Amino acid sequence: AQSVTQPDIHITVSEGASLELRCNYSYGATPYLFWYVQSPGQGLQLLLKYFSGDTLVQGIKGFEAEFKRSQSSFNLRKPSVHWSDAAEYFCAVVPLIQGAQKLVFGQGTRLTINP
Amino acid sequence: GAVVSQHPSRVICKSGTSVKIECRSLDFQATTMFWYRQFPKQSLMLMATSNEGSKATYEQGVEKDKFLINHASLTLSTLTVTSAHPEDSSFYICSAPLSRDYNEQFFGPGTRLTVL
Repeated sequence: AQSVTQPDIHITVSEGASLELRCNYSYGATPYLFWYVQSPGQGLQLLLKYFSGDTLVQGIKGFEAEFKRSQSSFNLRKPSVHWSDAAEYFCAVVPLIQGAQKLVFGQGTRLTINP
Repeated sequence: GAVVSQHPSRVICKSGTSVKIECRSLDFQATTMFWYRQFPKQSLMLMATSNEGSKATYEQGVEKDKFLINHASLTLSTLTVTSAHPEDSSFYICSAPLSRDYNEQFFGPGTRLTVL
């Protein structure tokens, strides 16, 4: 079945440590790929997106993501997390299917930062 | 970036009443808007696509008579939860794309609905 999977429901890292959040998709053609962050009481904010071209994408707040076609993955990374990065992170795709230009979200990964 | 607002941010109502949620694109026109529902600690699920000047398109399993959508203008879409019940309590979020290709959407801050 076509889907977006975030294998980690909850991740805890120490402040200053590196971070990688996993995202895998299952679609016939590579969809458009997005990472969003949702902080308590705030709307979803786009961190970065991939449509085509360079497979390493730079986003806001020091985040980056790498598209790997062979692994159907679009993992989010940050070299050094800050306490303010604690939030819910969603991977999302727009499947490139005729007439189905809608965002499909993964289950989300909740990030906790230890001081 | 583009700004999308929602009103109210939170609402509490009695079972059986109807609640209207507004979604506005503040600095751009949106011929299409999307409505999502998010249960606690869960992901966003698309409920329907709101189309300016025509009927909304509902996702499978979403009752169109219960969740009435009206896209009255190029900057406003409303979601009305009719005869609300406690199981309708949820976080409702709207989004709007800047362009017709839907490649990037801008999200409203969400509306927390609690039905007593």
